[in-house]
Amino acid sequence: SYVLTQPPSVSVAPGQTARITCGGNNIGSKSVHWYQQKPGQAPVLVVYDDSDRPSGIPERFSGSNSGNTATLTISRVEAGDEADYYCQVWDSSSDHLVVFGGGTKLTVL
Amino acid sequence: QVQLVESGGGLVKPGGSLRLSCAASGFTFSDYYMSWIRQAPGKGLEWVSYISSSGSTIYYADSVKGRFTISRDNAKNSLYLQMNSLRAEDTAVYYCARGRVEMATIVFDYWGQGTLVTVSS
Repeated sequence: SYVLTQPPSVSVAPGQTARITCGGNNIGSKSVHWYQQKPGQAPVLVVYDDSDRPSGIPERFSGSNSGNTATLTISRVEAGDEADYYCQVWDSSSDHLVVFGGGTKLTVL
Repeated sequence: QVQLVESGGGLVKPGGSLRLSCAASGFTFSDYYMSWIRQAPGKGLEWVSYISSSGSTIYYADSVKGRFTISRDNAKNSLYLQMNSLRAEDTAVYYCARGRVEMATIVFDYWGQGTLVTVSS
C-alpha cells in the first residue's frame, strides 16, 4: 500500500518560513491535500490539489509537489499557525484507498 | 453554511456494536461523496471508509473491512457507520467529512467535530 512520510516535528520562529514535507513514491503524479489540526479541534483543509487554497485560507499557506516530495510552505509564520499538519492522497491504484501522512507538529518558537 | 454533526459515540465492550450518525446541512447532500475518518488518542488521522453520492460505490480500509458498514440516506441528509465486532484498537474520535471528488483524487473540504468511541471492558 502507498505510504506518505512526514517529519514528526518542525520548529520555526515567528515571522520565518516553515516548510513541511510529505514524501511518497512518485507523489508528484498525484494530487496532494493538506490539513491543519489544532488541539481539540477537527482538521481544516488548508491546501488542495497540490497548491490551491480554499476560500478563507491566508495566502501565507502554499504548496508544491514534484518528484517524490510534496511541500506545504507557511510564510511569515504566526503563533496561531502552531498545529499538526497532515498530507493526504488518493491511491487509486491500491483499491481506491485514501492515505494520510503521519502528521507533522509545527511548533512556533 | 456547511455543517456536519456526528452522534452515536460512547463506551462499548470488545466484541460489541455501535452505530454512528452524521447529520449534514447547508449543502446538497446527495451531490457529494462522504467519508468516515478516525483518530486514535494522541495519534494521526486514519481513513475508515467512503461512499459515493448515490451510495453505489463504497470502499473500506483493510483495518475495518468486514466489520464496519457505511451507508447513507439522501432523503434524510444523513451518513451512518455501523461498527460491529469492535476491538480496543477501534477506540478513536470518528469524524464525518464531505468528500469532493475530482479527476483521480478525493479531498475532504468540510469535517464534523467528531464523536468519541471507546472500546473497553
